[in-house]
This record gives sequence, C-alpha cells and structure tokens, in this order.
Amino acid sequence: DGGITQSPKYLFRKEGQNVTLSCEQNLNHDAMYWYRQDPGQGLRLIYYSQIVNDFQKGDIAEGYSVSREKKESFPLTVTSAQKNPTAFYLCASSGASGTGETQYFGPGTRLLVL
Amino acid sequence: ILNVEQSPQSLHVQEGDSTNFTCSFPSSNFYALHWYRWETAKSPEALFVMTLNGDEKKKGRISATLNTKEGYSYLYIKGSQPEDSATYLCAFIRVGSQGNLIFGKGTKLSVKP
Repeated sequence: DGGITQSPKYLFRKEGQNVTLSCEQNLNHDAMYWYRQDPGQGLRLIYYSQIVNDFQKGDIAEGYSVSREKKESFPLTVTSAQKNPTAFYLCASSGASGTGETQYFGPGTRLLVL
Repeated sequence: ILNVEQSPQSLHVQEGDSTNFTCSFPSSNFYALHWYRWETAKSPEALFVMTLNGDEKKKGRISATLNTKEGYSYLYIKGSQPEDSATYLCAFIRVGSQGNLIFGKGTKLSVKP
C-alpha cells in the first residue's frame, strides 16, 4: 500500500542527546514536510523540502536539522539545541510544493525527554 | 503573524444531530483552504481543498463552504455518527507562501451513540 511511515512511534531523549526521527514515503511525492504539535496548539511547520537535495526552514526550525538525500526519505534530527523537544511530530508529503496540493500524513512520533 | 482560528474548540453532540463549525482566516492574499479530519491514533486525512470564493464541496454527509472575502469557511456534518468523532483541522495557504499550510488548533467533535 502507498503511504507514509514514521518510526519509531515513541522516542526517548536524554539531556544533550541528538535523536533522529524517520519519515519514508512511497507515494513518489516531490515535497515533504515536518510538523510539530504541542497541546492546545495547531500544527507548526519545522522544515520542508520541495525536491531532493533541497530544504527550507519553516516557522520553528531552531534546534532541528533535516536532510533530503533520497526522494522517499526526509529524516528529522532533534538536536541538543532544541530546549523543549517534548512534542508529537508529524511528517507529510505532497505531489508538489507551492501548489497547495493535499498533504498526506504519517502516523507520527511522540518524543519524550528523560 | 497569520492566525487561523477555529471554533468551537470542542463539541459534543448526540448521534443523528447535525452540526457545524467555523474556520476563520486572513481574507487578504488567499490562495487555498484545506480541511483535514484527524481520528485518535490515526493520521490526519484530507477532506477538502477549497480555492474559489463561494466554493461548496461535499463528501458523503460532510460538506464545506468558503467565503474568501470575509475570511471564513464552515464545515457541516449532517446526521452525525459516532465514527465522525475526530478533530477537524483547517489550514490556510496564502499567496507567496510556497504552498505551506498554516493550521488552526482544530475542533474536537465527540458524537455519543
């Protein structure tokens, strides 16, 4: 089945540690996105990528990094510089960025700090 | 700062009731509005993409309208069923934003059998 997978479902981070959240899609989509959800807030855009080997910062990129070496993969690293990383992280993809197309979402990863 | 507001924050209805909720967004530089449905423990899934003022879209018992001049969209559910229980998100796209979505906080709907 075509879709977006995220792993792991739950992730625990120790103080000062970098952790990487995986996002894979087999929809042949060019654009991919990372969002963060905090209680009582809407989804906020962390990073997005319109095409392989290219990505741009979203509204809350500080403390995060991404790579887009393959079309189907867009991993997100939460670095030690992110002081409040506990949140629910959603990955999404769309056929093309800049066109307002429907985004397709993964099941999410919940990150907790030990 | 661009704000997308959704109301009410939560809603409890009985099975068979019809209901509606609102998404408000900036009326200038409008490009598109998306509605998503997010059931607990599942991924958000798209309901509608709306682009033209006066648009009305329908999917089964769910429909949506769009007023870009005044900056609002309504989502209607006719004859609510327990399986309609979910959080309904709207997301605004403005011109020049590279298609990026600005989400509201959602309306959480609970339908009691």
